[in-house]
Amino acid sequence: DAGVIQSPRHEVTEMGQEVTLRCKPISGHNSLFWYRQTMMRGLELLIYFNNNVPIDDSGMPEDRFSAKMPNASFSTLKIQPSEPRDSAVYFCASSPRGQGVNEQYFGPGTRLTVT
Amino acid sequence: GENVGLHLPTLSVQEGDNSIINCAYSNSASDYFIWYKQESGKGPQFIIDIRSNMDKRQGQRVTVLLNKTVKHLSLQIAATQPGDSAVYFCAEGVGYSTLTFGKGTMLLVSP
Repeated sequence: DAGVIQSPRHEVTEMGQEVTLRCKPISGHNSLFWYRQTMMRGLELLIYFNNNVPIDDSGMPEDRFSAKMPNASFSTLKIQPSEPRDSAVYFCASSPRGQGVNEQYFGPGTRLTVT
Repeated sequence: GENVGLHLPTLSVQEGDNSIINCAYSNSASDYFIWYKQESGKGPQFIIDIRSNMDKRQGQRVTVLLNKTVKHLSLQIAATQPGDSAVYFCAEGVGYSTLTFGKGTMLLVSP
């Protein structure tokens, strides 16, 4: 199994630009999660999907952030417009079962730098 | 312990020693607990999990202990190796909720 795949691995952009992060979950997993990690705030859950439906987006910091999951094998996290304080590592994770809390498998992350 | 700002609690051990990493969780209703290992530049990697109907679970070189009375979780690593050097996170969950992660503990293993 290839594991969770994220792209790009690194993204450097200027303030005000649109950024799109991509994720392919592990095949057969029902749930998908987007996290942001910084040294100051640790690992924060932004949004999660169950069977492609957004369940909880209360962690999305602002309206500048949006996430979609058009099908079971693909999700995007978009930031528009980006700001320097959005600089962080963004992780996607997937979980094998949609009912109840279970182990999540993380991708390698996308390191975003907004200048 | 809990990290504040940029400072993670750090545990330094010698290769071959046993390591114990502790975690105090916050929700007395949590019924699922999990440990992750995160190496520099990588995503968190699942190590071991435990449900609240158990107080101990063993894996390969790792043991997780759960004390619900004092809301404490620990990860024991036997015969620690340099490759075990990483940040270790505990996380808790309840019912159909998602996981809530702790701030992490850095483990440094000296050869």
